[in-house]
Amino acid sequence: DIQMTQSPSSLSASVGDRVTITCQASQDINNYLNWYQQKPGKAPKPLIYDVSNLETGVPSRFSGSGSGTDFTLTISSLQPEDIATYYCQQYDNFPLTFGGGTKVEI
Amino acid sequence: QVQLVQSGAEVKKPGASVKVSCKASGYTFSGYTLHWVRQAPGQRLEWMGWINAGNANTKYSQKFQGRVTITRDTSASTAYMELSSLISEDTAIYYCARGQGFDPWGQGTLVTVSS
Repeated sequence: DIQMTQSPSSLSASVGDRVTITCQASQDINNYLNWYQQKPGKAPKPLIYDVSNLETGVPSRFSGSGSGTDFTLTISSLQPEDIATYYCQQYDNFPLTFGGGTKVEI
Repeated sequence: QVQLVQSGAEVKKPGASVKVSCKASGYTFSGYTLHWVRQAPGQRLEWMGWINAGNANTKYSQKFQGRVTITRDTSASTAYMELSSLISEDTAIYYCARGQGFDPWGQGTLVTVSS
């Protein structure tokens, strides 16, 4: 199985800060990488697909980058509504696997 | 709008089975796959398997092979996930999600396994 390792597991930042979350795959996943946002008590919400493509309605302060095994989710200016846990997920190989999550707090 | 609505919370005893439903609306049900993902307390999201709602082909995670069965009823636009031989570690929220993009997700179904 492909292991997805996220770091950090949690972070605290101020409103307006630039926030960066990394996701490392245990092997090349051919850029089949999605990001999800999960708020407490809610289902995950798709944020970015295929490394860098924003889902409809996602604010432009979110961006994704990377290739091969190393990927990054960036929030350019953290807003209060961005408080959530973020997960990366690979869909190159079965079983599909998720990172351990990064909890973002203010 | 596209929506997935899941069945309600369940409490089961160890060794029992649970069947969770996921009713789709707002799109052509048979045109997409449906995934099942679970989230145990404090754990990461865990993919269990998927079904092609058109031809009913399935793919399961090896971890759940033999214990999970995913089916669909096209006339009801509903997919089902049945997990058998439940143990306490199966206590989790179970989600369905549509297509390669996992968009949207159902609201989740809490399954509690307790004697």
